[in-house]
Amino acid sequence: GAVVSQHPSWVICKSGTSVKIECRSLDFQATTMFWYRQFPKQSLMLMATSNEGSKATYEQGVEKDKFLINHASLTLSTLTVTSAHPEDSSFYICSASISSGQETQYFGPGTRLLVL
Amino acid sequence: AQSVAQPEDQVNVAEGNPLTVKCTYSVSGNPYLFWYVQYPNRGLQFLLKYITGDNLVKGSYGFEAEFNKSQTSFHLKKPSALVSDSALYFCAVTLGGYSTLTFGKGTMLLVSP
Repeated sequence: GAVVSQHPSWVICKSGTSVKIECRSLDFQATTMFWYRQFPKQSLMLMATSNEGSKATYEQGVEKDKFLINHASLTLSTLTVTSAHPEDSSFYICSASISSGQETQYFGPGTRLLVL
Repeated sequence: AQSVAQPEDQVNVAEGNPLTVKCTYSVSGNPYLFWYVQYPNRGLQFLLKYITGDNLVKGSYGFEAEFNKSQTSFHLKKPSALVSDSALYFCAVTLGGYSTLTFGKGTMLLVSP
């Protein structure tokens, strides 16, 4: 149980295009979903927290207009990287929590984004 | 602010030998502590957690960790390492509730045959 999927697992795009990444909780309803970014050989950095039906809460330094997050249902959250640039290339990982808290998070497999 | 320190970038151990991956934390309250493992190009897999109770926590794949409040540590251990244990290991801490889950920078474990 508690499986989280992400789609796509890999995406390569041209600079200036927008990319949407989906995060789904497959066998539970996620009150809260989280989006992380991981640079090579570095730790996970929390980008934003989203609750179903409300606006996402972004961490300091994360551009909300650049990284659009939609949490339309209790099983789906999307991250859209708008007008992507090479510096946006990274590994993006989502997680989902049954509760509002962060202590019980189930992580997705991650999405590798390469912007050319 | 809460923080997690993983002092070793890499730990090397021979297969069959015991392994330890170190973690210390800093929080202003009672911590919830976690260990996760990450294989290349994959997300995080949960290994174990300490919330309350027995200081020795047993988790997946034969791993265990001991919560030491006086030393603010939560080291990950395994009695006998396997080559397949080679991966990146993250320690994380939160105070629970809406408190952020803060990750350490990760320790690469390399188990040689």
